[in-house]
Amino acid sequence: GAGVSQSPSNKVTEKGKDVELRCDPISGHTALYWYRQSLGQGLEFLIYFQGNSAPDKSGLPSDRFSAERTGGSVSTLTIQRTQQEDSAVYLCASSPVGGAWVETQYFGPGTRLLVL
Amino acid sequence: AQSVAQPEDQVNVAEGNPLTVKCTYSVSGNPYLFWYVQYPNRGLQFLLKYITGDNLVKGSYGFEAEFNKSQTSFHLKKPSALVSDSALYFCAVRLLDSNYQLIWGAGTKLIIKP
Repeated sequence: GAGVSQSPSNKVTEKGKDVELRCDPISGHTALYWYRQSLGQGLEFLIYFQGNSAPDKSGLPSDRFSAERTGGSVSTLTIQRTQQEDSAVYLCASSPVGGAWVETQYFGPGTRLLVL
Repeated sequence: AQSVAQPEDQVNVAEGNPLTVKCTYSVSGNPYLFWYVQYPNRGLQFLLKYITGDNLVKGSYGFEAEFNKSQTSFHLKKPSALVSDSALYFCAVRLLDSNYQLIWGAGTKLIIKP
């Protein structure tokens, strides 16, 4: 498919476990974004990648959260020692160039994370 | 602080009637405003954006939005609602000192009844 894909679509884990969420952006898109969407809340920015580098990690809520991007394509968001408050939908988006405010961001379907 | 507000958690409209989903913003300088829609079990989709120029912006699926600087609003509108328009709608504004980061409203659930 030509869109942004994310896996898994749903993840249930126990408190204290680590989880990895994957994002495959649209082929050729340089910029990649991670957001968190909690019930009844707007999107919360987590991190932005330009190519493989992350010039802005300011949105990561704690040092338990980390993300990487390899080959300018796939990105992984890792949450260590998950807490119940981490339960949310994690959305990934990509855009062609990045650093351009007129760009539309293209979103994946999200990963719904539930921490028990 | 820059912010976006969507004052209605839910809007109910009968099919065929006009619809409005409200959005107000608070930013310094000229705002860049966006509307996205989230259908059930699907990702967010871009609807339209205002950068500059004509205050009435036309977007996908027959939607349009009117930028009103004096009222700091960017309400989403459609002349005749369809049941298939039922979804979650998000307004967003670009953060002034960022060239990519958006501030998002909490979303408005739009329900179109047949």
